[in-house]
Amino acid sequence: NAGVTQTPKFRVLKTGQSMTLLCAQDMNHEYMYWYRQDPGMGLRLIHYSVGEGTTAKGEVPDGYNVSRLKKQNFLLGLESAAPSQTSVYFCASNPGGIESGELFFGEGSRLTVL
Amino acid sequence: GQNIDQPTEMTATEGAIVQINCTYQTSGFNGLFWYQQHAGEAPTFLSYNVLDGLEEKGRFSSFLSRSKGYSYLLLKELQMKDSASYLCAVRDSNYQLIWGAGTKLIIKP
Repeated sequence: NAGVTQTPKFRVLKTGQSMTLLCAQDMNHEYMYWYRQDPGMGLRLIHYSVGEGTTAKGEVPDGYNVSRLKKQNFLLGLESAAPSQTSVYFCASNPGGIESGELFFGEGSRLTVL
Repeated sequence: GQNIDQPTEMTATEGAIVQINCTYQTSGFNGLFWYQQHAGEAPTFLSYNVLDGLEEKGRFSSFLSRSKGYSYLLLKELQMKDSASYLCAVRDSNYQLIWGAGTKLIIKP
């Protein structure tokens, strides 16, 4: 059981380049999330999805886009990367529902923008 | 605004007990979570409190006081593998998780 898988694990970009992070989960979870984690700060929610075909903005959505075309996949796109987007990105999922609190995280994707 | 406060770093000795505190001010409350995160790895779920009191799970216990906006994670019989960051998160009235910056716990032999 793979759980939540993120690709790529590491990436270096130049300012202005674009890229897509892929998150895949095999637990049939409804809810999926993209977070970024920066030193000295808590996890910050970028975008999330409560089901296939739905997306919503989180706390820090600017500069990012997402898509949830299939239930198992949640894509995070950077159209024009900036140095401020250097971070570790975590995808997470959970079954959904009011009492469903535990998040299952991927291993993270470390992105550096030069 | 919404705020979660935890100590930045703590040091403890192998075999001892350590208490990591978390205070919060959020728009509503629908549960508090503790996660463990080893360096370079993903956070993993430790505990969930929604009612006041102590929840025990093996060597780890978590306490909640909603009236005081306070929780703590208690780790007993510390092992070297417990060296990690411990993240406190509160679910607010919109069922969004608000995360603390985490407490880095260093275990010394």
